[in-house]
Amino acid sequence: DIQMTQSPSSLSASVGDRVTITCRASQDINNYVAWFQQKPGKAPKSLIYEASELQSGVPSKFSGSGSGPDFTLTISSLQPEDFATYYCQQYDTYPLTFGQGTRVEIK
Amino acid sequence: EEQLLESGGGLLQRGGSLRLSCAASGFTFSSYDMSWVRQAPGKGLEWVSAINPSGDSTHYADSVKGRFTISRDNSKYILYLQMDSVRPDDTATYYCAKYIDLWGRGTLVTVSS
Repeated sequence: DIQMTQSPSSLSASVGDRVTITCRASQDINNYVAWFQQKPGKAPKSLIYEASELQSGVPSKFSGSGSGPDFTLTISSLQPEDFATYYCQQYDTYPLTFGQGTRVEIK
Repeated sequence: EEQLLESGGGLLQRGGSLRLSCAASGFTFSSYDMSWVRQAPGKGLEWVSAINPSGDSTHYADSVKGRFTISRDNSKYILYLQMDSVRPDDTATYYCAKYIDLWGRGTLVTVSS
């Protein structure tokens, strides 16, 4: 199975900060990586697909980059509504696998 | 508006069975891979199973292989997950997902020992 190693597991940041979260894939995943945001008690929301493509309706402060094995989600200027847990997922090969999640908290 | 709505969750005992349903609307259901993903209380996301658009190809996580069965009814726009021989570690909120871009609100399954 492909392992997605996500880091950090948590971070504290202030409103206006630039935040970067990384996922490392254990095998080539052909840039088939997605990023999701999940708020407490809510379903995950898709942000990014194919490593860098923004889902429709997602603000441009979110961006994805990387081409294997390291992929990055960046939030350019953190806002109060962005405090949540973020997950990466590879969807190149079954079984699909997620990173362990990154909890973004208010400093 | 694209939407997914899960139902069928509940409380059951170890070894029991349950069928989850996911009703889709707002998109051409028969054109997309569909998945089930679960999240145990306070834990991360775990992919469970997926099915191709026609329903003739399925995939499962090792943790549920041989116990869970995914299926779909394209005429009714419904995705199913038949859960048999459930265990306490199957306790989770179960989400259905359209490919990787749309998720339902989830349905909670609790398995008691």
